[in-house]
Amino acid sequence: DIQMTQSPASLSASLGETVTIECRASEDIYNGLAWYQQKPGKSPQLLIYNANSLHTGVPSRFSGSGSGTQYSLKINSLQSEDVASYFCQQYYDYWTFGGGTKLELK
Amino acid sequence: QVQLKESGPGLVQPSQTLSLTCTVSGFSLTSYNVHWVRQPTGKGLEWMGVIWTGGSTDYNSALKSRLSISRDTSKSQVFLKMNSLQTEDIATYYCARGRFGVPFDYWGQGVMVTVSS
Repeated sequence: DIQMTQSPASLSASLGETVTIECRASEDIYNGLAWYQQKPGKSPQLLIYNANSLHTGVPSRFSGSGSGTQYSLKINSLQSEDVASYFCQQYYDYWTFGGGTKLELK
Repeated sequence: QVQLKESGPGLVQPSQTLSLTCTVSGFSLTSYNVHWVRQPTGKGLEWMGVIWTGGSTDYNSALKSRLSISRDTSKSQVFLKMNSLQTEDIATYYCARGRFGVPFDYWGQGVMVTVSS
């Protein structure tokens, strides 16, 4: 089974700041990597797929990058509505989620 | 529009069987796979299993011995049954839509399940 290690587990940032969240796979997942945003009490929402493709309707301040086993999600110019938990997911070989990152405002 | 909605009892007794239904609309179960994912409160997401467009299933190896997923395409419903429930199974259970090689683009609202006598 492919394991996904996500860091940091929590993050505090100021409005307007740039934030980066990392995800590492236990083996090469060939860009089969998605990022989800989950707000409290809500279901996860797809942000990024194929490591760097923006899902329909997602603001352009969100971006994804990486390859092989290392991937990252970047949020430029942090907005208040970005306060949420973020999860990576590999879908190259079945499906596995990272442990999540809780993003709060400083 | 695409919708998924989970339903089922919110309370299950220890050692009993959990039965949940995911009712979908806006797409066909023969065109999209449906996954079940669960999330203990305040914790991460765990993929549980999938029913493929052709009706076959795959399960998380950690749950395989207790889990069964089936469907009724005429009613656009997918069913989850998991036996021998324990307190570790307390979580919000989601169904989500996917396709092969594509992540989950639509999720249900989730149903909270508690295990208690």
